[in-house]
Amino acid sequence: KNEVEQSPQNLTAQEGEFITINCSYSVGISALHWLQQHPGGGIVSLFMLSSGKKKHGRLIATINIQEKHSSLHITASHPRDSAVYICAPLSGSARQLTFGSGTQLTVLP
Amino acid sequence: NAGVMQNPRHLVRRRGQEARLRCSPMKGHSHVYWYRQLPEEGLKFMVYLQKENIIDESGMPKERFSAEFPKEGPSILRIQQVVRGDSAAYFCASSIQGSQETQYFGPGTRLLVL
Repeated sequence: KNEVEQSPQNLTAQEGEFITINCSYSVGISALHWLQQHPGGGIVSLFMLSSGKKKHGRLIATINIQEKHSSLHITASHPRDSAVYICAPLSGSARQLTFGSGTQLTVLP
Repeated sequence: NAGVMQNPRHLVRRRGQEARLRCSPMKGHSHVYWYRQLPEEGLKFMVYLQKENIIDESGMPKERFSAEFPKEGPSILRIQQVVRGDSAAYFCASSIQGSQETQYFGPGTRLLVL
């Protein structure tokens, strides 16, 4: 079993739809990153959170440490949101990130 | 305030040659991380360095790979005697302090081994 499971693997949505991407992990963690990888390959860090909820623009990330689960939400999705979204927990003891396999999001106009 | 810089952006090497990948962290950042993304696969941690120190190299192959982050200058990931399986995108990230901080990623170096 992978340490980090993301779902769905692929997601196609119409512009304006509310998007949810889920991440479950099996190790105890101290923080979790959500990353966005653009079609050209560049990676942007969207959030780092260790508890509760964070919001930035149309993006919202939540985490439940007890349930070992995090979600990334996109409100009013837009074609420019099309990218791969990657969940990356930072385990409590290790100094390194473990990466999910990513969710390929395509938002159609 | 420039972001994380990596060069070259693309590198082609023949089997057996050496590859040197450079990473200049963001200004004020003293922690550097290297990650590898094999074709059609996810990102994998390789090594975590602080100035003049390797903090964690547990993700780096024991042979042919080495990394350094000198007091002056960029961090270098060095791959000796490259093989086709080394073809991948290599990303560098930096943070102000330790791994509990937000990491900022560079654009990556795409290595192709012929």
